[in-house]
Amino acid sequence: DQQVKQNSPSLSVQEGRISILNCDYTNSMFDYFLWYKKYPAEGPTFLISISSIKDKNEDGRFTVFLNKSAKHLSLHIVPSQPGDSAVYFCAASEAAGNKLTFGGGTRVLVKP
Amino acid sequence: EAQVTQNPRYLITVTGKKLTVTCSQNMNHEYMSWYRQDPGLGLRQIYYSMNVEVTDKGDVPEGYKVSRKEKRNFPLILESPSPNQTSLYFCASSLLAETPYGYTFGSGTRLTVV
Repeated sequence: DQQVKQNSPSLSVQEGRISILNCDYTNSMFDYFLWYKKYPAEGPTFLISISSIKDKNEDGRFTVFLNKSAKHLSLHIVPSQPGDSAVYFCAASEAAGNKLTFGGGTRVLVKP
Repeated sequence: EAQVTQNPRYLITVTGKKLTVTCSQNMNHEYMSWYRQDPGLGLRQIYYSMNVEVTDKGDVPEGYKVSRKEKRNFPLILESPSPNQTSLYFCASSLLAETPYGYTFGSGTRLTVV
């Protein structure tokens, strides 16, 4: 059973608008969460992270929100740009630096 | 340049023919791991290693072997590949307990077993 789930396999958004990617988890021991971005023919690259002691972390156009009680996190991209078109993976860990458990990914298409 | 290097990038092989996918990192990372990516399932961990001569199973280890004789190298071995091992494979590394950047991934190896 998948402990990290991304229920939307794809998302299409107009350039300049907000992209919202969602991720749910079941393991209450997870205390560190990351988002990775993946372009075709490349490995995933780290985008942004959040620890369980926070409910929000922001880095430029990217903001991650964590709702521990709901076991839910989301990634907001504002404004979306065509270069943001990629697959985004949510990942979680029980301790930083240890095993990462990944969701199934969400493919984002930003239309010019 | 800090990186994780996997070889080969693409591989087509026949059922039962032993193969090795190499992985090397130049960042002196202790932790290394292999993942496979399949549609809808995301990345699933095959094996990991926390240091030289220390390896352990991940979530989907069946049919795979690994070794960690040197800190920089972590090869993935398929002794008798089967078609259900057709997948996209990624090697990753990190410092132990590093935050918040997680893993550095290689560019991937697309394996097809016919």
